[in-house]
Amino acid sequence: QVQLVDSGGGLVKPGGSLRLSCAASGFTFSDYYMSWIRQAPGKGLEWVSYISSSGTTIYYAVSVKGRFTISRDNAKNSLYLQMNSLRAEDTAVYYCARYNYDILTGYWYFDYWGQGTLVTVSS
Amino acid sequence: QSVLTQPPSVSGAPGQRVTISCTGSSSNIGADYDVHWYQQLPGTAPKLLIYGNSNRPSGVPDRFSGSKSGTSASLAITGLQAEDGADYYCQSYDSSLSGLVFGGGTKLTVL
Repeated sequence: QVQLVDSGGGLVKPGGSLRLSCAASGFTFSDYYMSWIRQAPGKGLEWVSYISSSGTTIYYAVSVKGRFTISRDNAKNSLYLQMNSLRAEDTAVYYCARYNYDILTGYWYFDYWGQGTLVTVSS
Repeated sequence: QSVLTQPPSVSGAPGQRVTISCTGSSSNIGADYDVHWYQQLPGTAPKLLIYGNSNRPSGVPDRFSGSKSGTSASLAITGLQAEDGADYYCQSYDSSLSGLVFGGGTKLTVL
């Protein structure tokens, strides 16, 4: 059974840094694209970034480009999000999600999600 | 302000049918990018509900259906049940933003 476990959230001051992790199990991690998606308190979902299965292709939302870095370690079945220069508006629950390419249909979608980890940016 | 527009809330009585709209533009849904739908029960992570405009993953009841036309997509839920009370999000790709986008979400209340 596919399982994604998010960790690393916490309270950080504006301008600070934090590194989130996502531990994957139940599937061949190195075969799949992965992504981070966030949800501010009481708000909707916002896509943050995704990374290809090999790590060579990476995209970011405009709101985090230049401040956040996504990476993965396929040997450890783990996904990471390094967050620098944090701002109050980065306060959110961060979810890792598997970004699946359905080879039969050609569709890309988020088919499994972690439980989320809360990041609070406040002085 | 989300690129994909959803009504903030909808409601219906048990057994009824409700629809949730997702309105985009020529740079996302209108450009023939696919639409996916996610259900988020209170206090939990989102779950894939509909992919590729109208396809249900295994385990999703056939009471849930999706469609797409022009610059809009819709999620329909028939035979409403109490456990359907949740937030629903549409998602697509936007070529102007060069990124993945979500609708603002719709809260479904089962009366």
